[in-house]
Amino acid sequence: DAMVIQNPRYQVTQFGKPVTLSCSQTLNHNVMYWYQQKSSQAPKLLFHYYDKDFNNEADTPDNFQSRRPNTSFCFLDIRSPGLGDAAMYLCATSRERVQTDTQYFGPGTRLTVL
Amino acid sequence: AQKVTQAQTEISVVEKEDVTLDCVYETRDTTYYLFWYKQPPSGELVFLIRRNSFDEQNEISGRYSWNFQKSTSSFNFTITASQVVDSAVYFCALSNTDKLIFGTGTRLQVFP
Repeated sequence: DAMVIQNPRYQVTQFGKPVTLSCSQTLNHNVMYWYQQKSSQAPKLLFHYYDKDFNNEADTPDNFQSRRPNTSFCFLDIRSPGLGDAAMYLCATSRERVQTDTQYFGPGTRLTVL
Repeated sequence: AQKVTQAQTEISVVEKEDVTLDCVYETRDTTYYLFWYKQPPSGELVFLIRRNSFDEQNEISGRYSWNFQKSTSSFNFTITASQVVDSAVYFCALSNTDKLIFGTGTRLQVFP
């Protein structure tokens, strides 16, 4: 019954080695979000897709990129991970991009950078 | 400015105690939505409730209840007869157009 699926749940990468995190959804929602959450902090929005329309947050580093090849899948690419990028990465979806809609989150991918 | 404040960083209770998690928000919008999410140790953010600014009626769902008061800009969450499985970080959030503005979360530990 999983609705928002993230793979892998745990990812270990080396400093500077590109890494891709995956998110898929079975809800057929239009909007997909990526959040970064560091220890003991609130989730921080990196960017979101409304259908194929990409919306980047102003303070998201260029090191973070995203792809959404179809409605169901969305990827987070970290081109050159630094030690400061170690965090939990959460994917979320919502039906529409309006304040009324609830965002549903996946289980997250915990990224470790060595 | 939009802001959510959860002043309680961490709360510890013993099982069966009642506990209230505070949430205070700031917004200039007349229409807005408030949310509570639970984040257990596994990491997933679990949606608990959504409330719009025009509905001040309190809500109860099992052991959970929410008290929304516009006069004090608060949306507090009470767990009655807490259980060990309630141990988690709880986030209050405010919806601003297409974004969620989260508070810093309250870590609840329920001891047997």
